[in-house]
Amino acid sequence: DVKVTQSSRYLVKRTGEKVFLECVQDMDHENMFWYRQDPGLGLRLIYFSYDVKMKEKGDIPEGYSVSREKKERFSLILESASTNQTSMYLCASSPSGPSRDTQYFGPGTRLTVL
Amino acid sequence: AQKITQTQPGMFVQEKEAVTLDCTYDTSDQSYGLFWYKQPSSGEMIFLIYQGSYDEQNATEGRYSLNFQKARKSANLVISASQLGDSAMYFCAMSPNAGNMLTFGGGTRLMVKP
Repeated sequence: DVKVTQSSRYLVKRTGEKVFLECVQDMDHENMFWYRQDPGLGLRLIYFSYDVKMKEKGDIPEGYSVSREKKERFSLILESASTNQTSMYLCASSPSGPSRDTQYFGPGTRLTVL
Repeated sequence: AQKITQTQPGMFVQEKEAVTLDCTYDTSDQSYGLFWYKQPSSGEMIFLIYQGSYDEQNATEGRYSLNFQKARKSANLVISASQLGDSAMYFCAMSPNAGNMLTFGGGTRLMVKP
């Protein structure tokens, strides 16, 4: 079974704090993704990575950065958390094959910024 | 750019009845993939079904089928014989042929009544 894990299910941080969200996958997938999910907006892509040390901006990268030092791990960083970054964050991974290959999602991290 | 529209924010269905969740899309790509995911209250995204734009047959997976109408750019999910466990958020998504990036719709919350 493909497994994608995220470091926390729930996280509460204060405005201005630096926040790290960790994601690990155990299927040797090349691609990894970070989304945020907000009611009515579905999932929106923040960043993705198709290889170690490679990253690409998604639709809403502002206020976020990412790190991929190892193939299995993809970190999302909020340099200075703000209240409008309160959201559910979902990590996903997929092999680098054709688009028929689905993405496999982690359980999500619900982040609250006070 | 790709766009997915789910026009039903919430729907009720009686247990054991069939239900159709609507999804329309917009893309200039000739080749693309369409996905449906289920997200129960636990938060994890569960892959349900996939349809390739060149697939001649509509996709089916158990109680799930995808009513794909390419000319209308619609990819509706049909759930037959609804069960209480089908109560969840459902997301339609699409990817271009060139990669695994997904664009999501806003989601539909399905509630199954006993």
